[in-house]
Amino acid sequence: GAGVSQTPSNKVTEKGKYVELRCDPISGHTALYWYRQSLGQGPEFLIYFQGTGAADDSGLPNDRFFAVRPEGSVSTLKIQRTERGDSAVYLCASSPDSYEQYFGPGTRLTVT
Amino acid sequence: AQSVAQPEDQVNVAEGNPLTVKCTYSVSGNPYLFWYVQYPNRGLQFLLKYITGDNLVKGSYGFEAEFNKSQTSFHLKKPSALVSDSALYFCAVRDMNDYKLSFGAGTTVTVRA
Repeated sequence: GAGVSQTPSNKVTEKGKYVELRCDPISGHTALYWYRQSLGQGPEFLIYFQGTGAADDSGLPNDRFFAVRPEGSVSTLKIQRTERGDSAVYLCASSPDSYEQYFGPGTRLTVT
Repeated sequence: AQSVAQPEDQVNVAEGNPLTVKCTYSVSGNPYLFWYVQYPNRGLQFLLKYITGDNLVKGSYGFEAEFNKSQTSFHLKKPSALVSDSALYFCAVRDMNDYKLSFGAGTTVTVRA
């Protein structure tokens, strides 16, 4: 079956611009997660959705970052006033239960 | 708080030899432990998990891992490595009462023919 998909696969933007990153989870998965992976590091948790609500957003680095999941399926991670330090691979994962998470291929964000 | 340490940045083995990738963890409650593999320009692929029960868990592609509570370790093993096992491996942990995963920095495995 189809796995987690993320679009775009690559995004290059200028410092100060606004970006949106999209995640399509595996059909039927109620839990959705966003992580950020910087070069040479493991993924770091950003936010977790159970259904439509953000159950835990403790990993969002500041108020420039926001995520939504309005219908309990597709999620969008939004970054305002991008900074060069936001450059990373943004990973989305979904899960049918409380155990393993299935990851998408990621969106590589480069802020110039 | 929860954290993972992967003490080796790189592991190099010859094809056919045993492969071990080390992982130790810290978590306040009971741990759920996971191994993922990442190939270049691809997402993380789930290999195996420990939730409860038998300390030796078996996963995909012939990999297994042993949970050791006293040593707070969850080392990944494969009895006979293949060149195709060359990739970046991540250990991850979460507390059973939490949902977010904490990952180690990763270990690059190179299997030479």
